[in-house]
Amino acid sequence: QQQLQESGPGLVKPSETLSLTCTVSGGSITSTYYYWGWIRQPPGKGLEWIGNLHYSGTAYYNPSLKSRVTISVDTSKSQFSLKLSSVTAADTAVYYCARVVWFQSGLGSHDYWGQGSLVTVSS
Amino acid sequence: DIQMTQSPSSLSASVGDRVTITCRASQSISIYLSWYQQKPGKAPNLLIYTTSNLQSGVPSRFTGSGSGTDFTLTISNLQPEDFATYYCQQTYSAPETFGQGTKVDIK
Repeated sequence: QQQLQESGPGLVKPSETLSLTCTVSGGSITSTYYYWGWIRQPPGKGLEWIGNLHYSGTAYYNPSLKSRVTISVDTSKSQFSLKLSSVTAADTAVYYCARVVWFQSGLGSHDYWGQGSLVTVSS
Repeated sequence: DIQMTQSPSSLSASVGDRVTITCRASQSISIYLSWYQQKPGKAPNLLIYTTSNLQSGVPSRFTGSGSGTDFTLTISNLQPEDFATYYCQQTYSAPETFGQGTKVDIK
């Protein structure tokens, strides 16, 4: 049973960089069949896809965030990470990591999720 | 970006009812449509992928159908644990996009 767990600061100041890590257990992060993704959900609102990453380094990002987002992987620790720069209050959200069963071009269904990490952007 | 529009935004139903939620894409997405269920304070849970394939462990009362631009999630014999918010998601082209959600609550 795959398990994912987000970790990172719950409070980030405006203009700084949000950093979160997702630790994967119960299976290999280096499987060819999966990408690893980040999705966020502002309080009381819907879901927004941030991006997906394959352990090989291939990544797909949401164009609306692409200039500020980096997703990376550390296979030795079975972790992947999200960095979002120049944050504002609009980036306040619950951030989820998830496994992606990809169908094409690195996109697919998210079948295992972390429990979510609330990140508040405030001074 | 492909826009996903769900209808209705909310509905009230009773245990045992049959519920239908519709998702419309702004352009054809073939069969690359997934459905998720989300309960308050919890992560979304994958119900159906590629339009009609039931995720392992999901009850058979959940069914999906459609193709192209119009898709449907049907819940037969609604159970108390099914009261939640449901989202559709397209994975045909980047960026992945989600519908705005449909909240199913108790009548």
